[in-house]
Amino acid sequence: GAVVSQHPSRVICKSGTSVKIECRSLDFQATTMFWYRQFPKQSLMLMATSNEGSKATYEQGVEKDKFLINHASLTLSTLTVTSAHPEDSSFYICSARDADGYTEAFFGQGTRLTVV
Amino acid sequence: SQKIEQNSEALNIQEGKTATLTCNYTNYSPAYLQWYRQDPGRGPVFLLLIRENEKEKRKERLKVTFDTTLKQSLFHITASQPADSATYLCALDIYSKAAGNKLTFGGGTRVLVKP
Repeated sequence: GAVVSQHPSRVICKSGTSVKIECRSLDFQATTMFWYRQFPKQSLMLMATSNEGSKATYEQGVEKDKFLINHASLTLSTLTVTSAHPEDSSFYICSARDADGYTEAFFGQGTRLTVV
Repeated sequence: SQKIEQNSEALNIQEGKTATLTCNYTNYSPAYLQWYRQDPGRGPVFLLLIRENEKEKRKERLKVTFDTTLKQSLFHITASQPADSATYLCALDIYSKAAGNKLTFGGGTRVLVKP
C-alpha cells in the first residue's frame, strides 16, 4: 500500500509554545488529508479535512486558530498546535487519500504530543 | 446525526477460535464500509472495504459482511492467533458539502487472543 510519513513521532513542548507536525504522502498525490486526535483508549476523532490549495474544513468544536492546518502541496500537510497547553496533550494522526473518497485511507505513524 | 457504534467491551478469545465484531450505523446509507486495524501507539492500517452491493468479502482469515437493511457489518477473524490482538475499527465516509467525504470511525473493539 501507499506510504504516509508523519513526524515527529514524539514531541514534548513547554506550555505556551507552538508545535508543528508534518504529514507527507511519499508515493502518491493526496488530494485530501485528514487530521485526527485520539485520547487513550478512545477512537479517532476527526479534527479537520484538508484539501490541497484550499482552506481546511474543521469539525465542530475544533478551534481553527489553535490548530492551524496547511495543505500547500499534494504531498504535504502540516498541523500546528499554537500556544499549546497540557490539555492539548494527545495522539495526533494524519491520513491521506489519492482520490475523493471511495478508497482506503493511508495513515501516518502518529505523533504523541506532551505539553508540560 | 450519523452514528457508528462498535462494541466497546474488549473481546477475549482463545487462539484458534473465530472472533466476531459488530459495527452498527444509523442515519446514513453508505455506499461502502471499511475496516481497519490499530495497534497501540500506531496509526490504523486498512484491512478490507465492502460495498453496498457485496454481501460478503474475504481476505485470508478475515471475512466481512454488510447488511444494508440491518445497517450492520460483521467482521470475523477465523483461526485467530495472538498476533491478531489489536483494536479493530469500522469506518464510513460521511459526505458534507463543505468538506466532501470524511472518513469517520466507530469507537473500535479491542481483541485479545490468548494462546
